[in-house]
Amino acid sequence: NFMLTQPPSVSESPGKTVTISCTRSSGSIASNYVHWYQQRPGSSPILLIYEDSQRPSGVPDRFSGSIDSSSNSASLTVSGLRTEDEADYYCQSYDRSNSWVFGGGTKLTVL
Amino acid sequence: QLQLQESGPGLVKPSETLSLTCSVSGDSIRSTNYFWGWIRQTPGKGLEWFGNIYYTATTYYNPSLKSRVTISVDPSKNQFSLKLRSVTATDTAVYYCGANGWGSLQFFDYWGQGKLVTVSS
Repeated sequence: NFMLTQPPSVSESPGKTVTISCTRSSGSIASNYVHWYQQRPGSSPILLIYEDSQRPSGVPDRFSGSIDSSSNSASLTVSGLRTEDEADYYCQSYDRSNSWVFGGGTKLTVL
Repeated sequence: QLQLQESGPGLVKPSETLSLTCSVSGDSIRSTNYFWGWIRQTPGKGLEWFGNIYYTATTYYNPSLKSRVTISVDPSKNQFSLKLRSVTATDTAVYYCGANGWGSLQFFDYWGQGKLVTVSS
């Protein structure tokens, strides 16, 4: 099995752009899709990005996902930051034993 | 719009079985579009996936939890359930039921509101 490592926290000012990384410990990041969830305090997670870079309907295009094989990581980019974007963000993938693997989560603070 | 709602005891004694039910509304659990499943969240271990089930009762479990977990489906009640045996304090968590409406086993695009379950005597 592999692990997904996220920075515990990131912060940025309103209107700016922030990127949250999700680094896979072993095996290629491209081997399995990466998905991203947003969780606001006291709420359930919401699917933000699926299959590396796809946005469900209703998710603003300020949110985008990508993978980078050179750093073996996935990234979630939030542009035009708003205070409502303050939340925890989790990456998730799927390993060869048909099991889900989650990152530890990143707390985004919009200063 | 699909909606999910967890129900069950909020307090379970150590060594007993935790039982939760997820009620589905807005569509039939028999729909071929969906996979259904369970995840929990703890401050210490973060998000942890238990497994998924199809309406035919085909299941896919987390290998690290499989020995203690049973996920089942009751199409007549439009519900699916989680049983976690031999619980300890480390099983204290918020338990979420979820669904994937794309026929994919790999992520949830629908989530219940969550049910806090405390394991304590």
